Amino acid sequence: AIRMTQSPSSFSASTGDRVTITCRANQGVNNYLAWYQQKPEKAPKLMIYAASTLQNGVPSRFSGSGSGTDFTLTIDGLQSEDFATYYCQQYYTYPLTFGGGTKVEIK
Amino acid sequence: EVQLLESGGGLVQPGGSLRLSCAASGFTFSNYAMTWVRQAPGKGLEWVSSLNGGGGSTYYADFVKGRFTISRDNSKNTLYLQINILRAEDTAVYYCAKIRHGGDCADDWGQGTLVTVSS
Repeated sequence: AIRMTQSPSSFSASTGDRVTITCRANQGVNNYLAWYQQKPEKAPKLMIYAASTLQNGVPSRFSGSGSGTDFTLTIDGLQSEDFATYYCQQYYTYPLTFGGGTKVEIK
Repeated sequence: EVQLLESGGGLVQPGGSLRLSCAASGFTFSNYAMTWVRQAPGKGLEWVSSLNGGGGSTYYADFVKGRFTISRDNSKNTLYLQINILRAEDTAVYYCAKIRHGGDCADDWGQGTLVTVSS
């Protein structure tokens, strides 16, 4: 199975900050990479697919980049509603696998 | 509006069985692959199983080891997950989700149903 490693596992930031989360696959997944946001006690929400395509309704302050094994999720101008846990997922091949998550907390 | 409503979770003893259901509405159910993802308490997301729109192609996580069966009834717009020989480590919220066309990522999710395996 492809292993997805996210870093950092958690960090604190302030509203207005530009933040970047990294996701690395232990083998190439082309651009078959999605990012999800999850708030406590809520279902995950798809934010980005195909590594860099914003899902409908997702604010433009979110962006994704990367291909192959290294990917990033960037939030440019963190808002209060963005404090959450973010997961990457590869869907290049089965079994589908998620990263361990990155919790973005309020500083 | 897409709606996915899971049911069937609950408290079950180790070795027991459960069938989870996911009632779908707001989209043409048979046109979409569907998936189950679970989340143990305080842990991350873990993919469980997926199947295509017709139900003829199924995929499972390695940990399933023949204990889980995913299925669907397109006449009832319902997705199922039969879980047998439950173990404590199967304790989790189980989410059903709709897979977007063009790739196996999930663009709509249910609210989840909690399965607790304990004696």
